[in-house]
Amino acid sequence: DSGVTQTPKHLITATGQRVTLRCSPRSGDLSVYWYQQSLDQGLQFLIQYYNGEERAKGNILERFSAQQFPDLHSELNLSSLELGDSALYFCASSVGLANNNEQFFGPGTRLTVL
Amino acid sequence: GNSVTQMEGPVTLSEEAFLTINCTYTATGYPSLFWYVQYPGEGLQLLLKATKADDKGSNKGFEATYRKETTSFHLEKGSVQVSDSAVYFCALSDSNDYKLSFGAGTTVTVRA
Repeated sequence: DSGVTQTPKHLITATGQRVTLRCSPRSGDLSVYWYQQSLDQGLQFLIQYYNGEERAKGNILERFSAQQFPDLHSELNLSSLELGDSALYFCASSVGLANNNEQFFGPGTRLTVL
Repeated sequence: GNSVTQMEGPVTLSEEAFLTINCTYTATGYPSLFWYVQYPGEGLQLLLKATKADDKGSNKGFEATYRKETTSFHLEKGSVQVSDSAVYFCALSDSNDYKLSFGAGTTVTVRA
């Protein structure tokens, strides 16, 4: 158990809908990262937050947004869903801002868009 | 930009065989290098890491050495077990940002 929790574990929804994925980082970790894992794109970085502030963005679609709350949990919002958004979404957390910090991954949320 | 190129799989081995998974990278800064492992139905777990040139990371019998001259970080294990069956990802984190850039992953199956 990494200490990072993600809910829900599975999500099935229809095209055009909006969903929210939730992540609670390890106790004491200030940085939260979101990654998307799909068969065709592999593991791709989406966005990073540090202590409530957006820190870095990857190839995140405009239909996707995220935030980190004062209690440091984070939510990833996906809207106007398309079939191609079906993927495994991972949250990871780390202590701070250093490239040698280990990122601890949650178990992921599997999103299926029908 | 940063990129990681990893040996294509899948790889199938017998127990006690020697495992090597090749990984090379391109980075603009001074990266830290990682190997993560993903067991079926689970999230990623850090297997080992190295943060500077010539460092050797090791864990659970796995080893990898940070080779700056060849921009490589190959993963090796001398004697694999069935429990090592998983997907292995090579990754880097650059000193200019902190996100992980991953290779495509290598699926390893070990047969008894």
